Amino acid sequence: TQLLEQSPQFLSIQEGENLTVYCNSSSVFSSLQWYRQEPGEGPVLLVTVVTGGEVKKLKRLTFQFGDARKDSSLHITAAQPGDTGLYLCAGSGGGGNKLTFGTGTQLKVEL
Amino acid sequence: GAVVSQHPSWVICKSGTSVKIECRSLDFQATTMFWYRQFPKQSLMLMATSNEGSKATYEQGVEKDKFLINHASLTLSTLTVTSAHPEDSSFYICRVGRGSTDTQYFGPGTRLTVL
Repeated sequence: TQLLEQSPQFLSIQEGENLTVYCNSSSVFSSLQWYRQEPGEGPVLLVTVVTGGEVKKLKRLTFQFGDARKDSSLHITAAQPGDTGLYLCAGSGGGGNKLTFGTGTQLKVEL
Repeated sequence: GAVVSQHPSWVICKSGTSVKIECRSLDFQATTMFWYRQFPKQSLMLMATSNEGSKATYEQGVEKDKFLINHASLTLSTLTVTSAHPEDSSFYICRVGRGSTDTQYFGPGTRLTVL
């Protein structure tokens, strides 16, 4: 069974601060995705990374895939209240287009 | 516009009744759909893989006789929670995607509350 552990589990910060969320596993994934989910809605895809060492930027968000494709990080610069939500990493590679979701990081950005 | 729809968006039922949840792929044909369950403030847990025209594949620990899945067409999969109990109360979400690196589309979810 492939497991993805995210840290921290909860994060409450002030607007303007920076933060990093980590997603770690002992398994190798062919690709890894990051999602943001708001209460009562389905997850929304933020990014997909497929190459070890890959770095992708999406405005204030920076995503990195580990060299060994076992871990990933999400860095948010100058967080805003609109960034509040549940952040989920999800790895693919178990076959059959399965996605294994991480344990989740609940982020709250306050004014 | 939406790529995947779910119906109903929320449902409240009495203990012992059965509830059917629909997941529709609106933009493309999907031979495979996935069903997830999510408890409050927790991550998504894969319940089963729905295969068009054949039996669903269930994850370990998920009772196939309790969570009936039917994927009768390339655009529709249904999840029926049979003899629902309060512990089945959860947020149920379906996913549709064409490949491991293609964009994955999630439905908006169905909130089930069993009284």
